[in-house]
Amino acid sequence: EIVLTQSPGTLSLSPGERATLSCRASQYVSSSYLAWYQQKPGQAPRLLIYDASTRATGIPDRFSGSGSGTDFTLTISRLEPEDFAVYYCQQYDTSSFYTFGQGTKLEIK
Amino acid sequence: VQLQASGPGLVKPSETLSLTCAVSGDSITSYNWWSWIRQTPGKGLEWIGEIQKTGTTHHKPSLRSRVTISLDTSKNQFSLELTSVTAADTAVYYCAGNGRVSLAVWSKGATVTVSS
Repeated sequence: EIVLTQSPGTLSLSPGERATLSCRASQYVSSSYLAWYQQKPGQAPRLLIYDASTRATGIPDRFSGSGSGTDFTLTISRLEPEDFAVYYCQQYDTSSFYTFGQGTKLEIK
Repeated sequence: VQLQASGPGLVKPSETLSLTCAVSGDSITSYNWWSWIRQTPGKGLEWIGEIQKTGTTHHKPSLRSRVTISLDTSKNQFSLELTSVTAADTAVYYCAGNGRVSLAVWSKGATVTVSS
């Protein structure tokens, strides 16, 4: 099973700052098979990015995804108050199907 | 499309957990695949399995022997059964519509506690 490791575990930033979240895979992941989600307390995850860099419908352009192989990044260019949440990466492969990282908590500094 | 997961909030150990996901706002055939996912504080988000609109299913390998996912197009819903539950199956359960190798639309969570 491909293991996804997200870092940092917690990221403390202020509104207006830039956030960079990392997701590292234990094996090669096809760029087409890497997604990012945002989850706020008491809510279901929301799809932000799929295919490593394609924003889902309705997602603001301050969210961007990049990376390939085993290293992927979610960048939030300028944090808005509503962006403070937990973020998960997810990969797909034909053996394990969908697996998730453990999450990065983005908190207000 | 909106999804609503529902079922008993309390299940006894060794019994079967049954959840239903009602799809509204569009036909269940509008998505090619539908998934079940659960979330616990300890293990995080865990994909359980998926069903195609044709009825083909895939399951997480470690859960395969206990999981059944079925589809009822006449009721616009799909279901999850998890047999022989233990406390480790206590979780918030979500149903989702699959996008391009991602989970595009999610239900609100349904909390299930396994306890006698």
